[in-house]
Amino acid sequence: DAKTTQPPSMDCAEGRAANLPCNHSTISGNEYVYWYRQIHSQGPQYIIHGLKNNETNEMASLIITEDRKSSTLILPHATLRDTAVYYCIVRVALPYNAGNMLTFGGGTRLMVKP
Amino acid sequence: DAGVTQSPTHLIKTRGQQVTLRCSPKSGHDTVSWYQQALGQGPQFIFQYYEEEERQRGNFPDRFSGHQFPNYSSELNVNALLLGDSALYLCASNLGGGFYEQYFGPGTRLTVT
Repeated sequence: DAKTTQPPSMDCAEGRAANLPCNHSTISGNEYVYWYRQIHSQGPQYIIHGLKNNETNEMASLIITEDRKSSTLILPHATLRDTAVYYCIVRVALPYNAGNMLTFGGGTRLMVKP
Repeated sequence: DAGVTQSPTHLIKTRGQQVTLRCSPKSGHDTVSWYQQALGQGPQFIFQYYEEEERQRGNFPDRFSGHQFPNYSSELNVNALLLGDSALYLCASNLGGGFYEQYFGPGTRLTVT
């Protein structure tokens, strides 16, 4: 799976959009970009994933550049409860009977401030 | 609908002992993965079980073993505990194969003294 690079920490004002970047310059054509977050003392939580098109769900939006070498997770109106470590993971979506291990890096520690 | 549950929540063991951690997957899920998370680091993949067999394994020694039961629940066993095994052990479940996202439990905090 491709390696990802994320800033170690970011701050965001409450109510503003939080834009978390991820670099995955060695991504392959069949690799998806996944985002998880981990709030303190909890297990990681799935947020969103995408292949090449931009994606949006009730939690966030995922913007993937045209060359797919980087992406941005957008939390449109950050709240204090969004304070967490955000992990960008790139991996192949394998067939039904194959393993789907996740390789976590260091992530970005997002601090939402009042 | 219950999510992924793990037991116990916390555990303290002595170096050299053995430990068993338990996980019940989210309802409807048939695949269970285990991760180890040392303090300040991201989770590291230990192994994954599907249809009661180990399907994929990370870079962990044979002291780490597991089992999946017919009801899809799973156990993680660690023998000959080392101080370095102190960590948060996370269980994750998903439906079927590689495409589906994993849902994580709250973890078991293991302290080895």
